[in-house]
Formats: sequence, structure tokens, C-alpha cells
Amino acid sequence: GENVEQHPSTLSVQEGDSAVIKCTYSDSASNYFPWYKQELGKRPQLIIDIRSNVGEKKDQRIAVTLNKTAKHFSLHITETQPEDSAVYFCAAHKGGTGGFKTIFGAGTRLFVKA
Amino acid sequence: DAGITQSPRYKITETGRQVTLMCHQTWSHSYMFWYRQDLGHGLRLIYYSAAADITDKGEVPDGYVVSRSKTENFPLTLESATRSQTSVYFCASRDLRAQETQYFGPGTRLLVL
Repeated sequence: GENVEQHPSTLSVQEGDSAVIKCTYSDSASNYFPWYKQELGKRPQLIIDIRSNVGEKKDQRIAVTLNKTAKHFSLHITETQPEDSAVYFCAAHKGGTGGFKTIFGAGTRLFVKA
Repeated sequence: DAGITQSPRYKITETGRQVTLMCHQTWSHSYMFWYRQDLGHGLRLIYYSAAADITDKGEVPDGYVVSRSKTENFPLTLESATRSQTSVYFCASRDLRAQETQYFGPGTRLLVL
């Protein structure tokens, strides 16, 4: 069935370094790719998203890249800070007439060491 | 985020009991969703609703029932709770016209003994 694979499951970086989380999706009809950040005991919150007609999007220290051919998208966090420590989820969404589906990756636990 | 609330926030029940989790949103969003979150599985969609009186199954619907008589409410019922339904349940909503961003409620932590 359709799925989203997310790697790594755990990532530990030093404060100031960059962090990269990668996701691969299986459904070529997916057209929207959000990234959520979930702090311990809190709800998931959208941090950045990208549509299938865009290859890259950046918002301050966070960027997302999308390779539709490879069905692969990545989250890049630069100059990491301790408050970036959280679980990050990617998702692949398809919608429109005929159906709706959002599949989430299993999550990446990011530790930023001060 | 205060526009979408869930109750109760914590619930302990026993196997075989019926449990209803409530979700309420004040944005008049068309779409509402129920997810469960378990370690190693991320978020899995249980049911969703495109509008009042329109619901559809997600990835893991077995053992759950939903209804949506009003746009703002989307209750999730476990008709006969099982231990495997111990999880954190998140409700979410999104607007029909806006981008596909989903806004999540604070979650309900359910323990089935």
C-alpha cells in the first residue's frame, strides 16, 4: 500500500550545526508535502510545506526540497538551536475529486545539544 | 490553535467499555480528521469528514465509529474498547478553500486496561 518512509528515526546534532531529515513517498499522485514539529506532550504544528509544482521553499532557518521524479523530499534546518529539539513528521497528501489521503512518516526525533 | 479543542484530555477505561472522544472547532472548517499516534507509527488516520453528515474511513477505522451532525463537532466513539486502542488521539481540521494545512487539537491520551 501507499506509505511514507522517513529517515533517520533519531538525529543528534550539535547546536549551530545543520540537520537534514529525508522522506520518500510511494504515491505519485501526492501533491502536497507538509512538515510538522511536535514538542513533547504537545500537538503537531505545521512548520513548512511545499506543493508539487515547487522544487524548494525556504523560511528563515528551515527549508524543504522536493524531487518529484525520485518521490523524495527533505527538511533542512540550519544553525540549529536547543529549541529545535522535537519530533518532526513529514507527510504526503493527495486530494481533489476522487479521494483524499494524507500519509505521515513515522517521525524523526531531533536532539540539539547545547 | 485554541480554535480546536478536545475532551477529555486524559481517559482511563476498561476493555469492553464504550468511550467517546470529543472534538470541537470554532473555525467552521469543512474538513475534520481523527488520528491516532503510537510509537513507531507516526500519525495514522482513523476517519475523516468532508462536511456535516459526510464521513469516510481512513487507514485504521476498525473498532471506531464517527458522526458529524454539526460542522463544528466530530466525536469519535470506541464501541468496545480494546487494549490495542491505547494511544494518543488527535483531532484536526482544515478549511475547504485554504491550502491543505491541518490544524491539530491538543490530543486525548487514552489508556485501556
